[in-house]
Amino acid sequence: QVQLVQSGAEVKKPGASMKVSCKASGFTFTGFYIQWFRQAPGQGLQWMGWFNPNDGGTNYAQKFQGRVTMTGETSITTAYMELDSLRSDDTAVYYCASGGAVNYWGQGTLVTVSS
Amino acid sequence: DIQISQSPSSLSASVGDRVTITCRASHGITIYLAWFQQKPGKAPRCLIYGASSLESGVPSRFSGSGYGTDFTLTISSLQPEDFATYYCQQYISYPITFGQGTRLDI
Repeated sequence: QVQLVQSGAEVKKPGASMKVSCKASGFTFTGFYIQWFRQAPGQGLQWMGWFNPNDGGTNYAQKFQGRVTMTGETSITTAYMELDSLRSDDTAVYYCASGGAVNYWGQGTLVTVSS
Repeated sequence: DIQISQSPSSLSASVGDRVTITCRASHGITIYLAWFQQKPGKAPRCLIYGASSLESGVPSRFSGSGYGTDFTLTISSLQPEDFATYYCQQYISYPITFGQGTRLDI
């Protein structure tokens, strides 16, 4: 069955970087964009951008331009999202998602930014 | 950006009730709307995509309708496991945007 399995929770200091991985299985990795979202505590869902596993292309939300990098390794059907210059308000659960209707979601990765 | 207005923001209901949640898009999105259920500490789960297509494994008491700017999620007979937060999402254009969520409580 379709699965997106993300890396585990992280605690980071302000100013540091984070990198979350998303391992895909059960569907053709190059067939759909890998989308990234985040959800701050008690808040709604926010789109961060997409990575195209077919050609390595990306599209980032304006809010994260210059701070986010989305990549992938097709040989191991894994996508990555790296966010730099972390601040306390980057504390959130980060999700990868895919599928024609963005209907397949990973389990989420909690990243806590705290000094 | 396409704005999505979702209502109500919260709803109290009982097991067996019929419940309706609505979303209105600021621009026409044809059928590019999905509905998600989220329980505390869990990832969103897709219930409906393409406005009215039921995701595999989702009970038939969930249904979606609408086209263009106005959409509805209906739960025909609430079950205990349905108490959660529901979000609609448009995916016709970027940035992908969501409604503010509807918290469904007992």
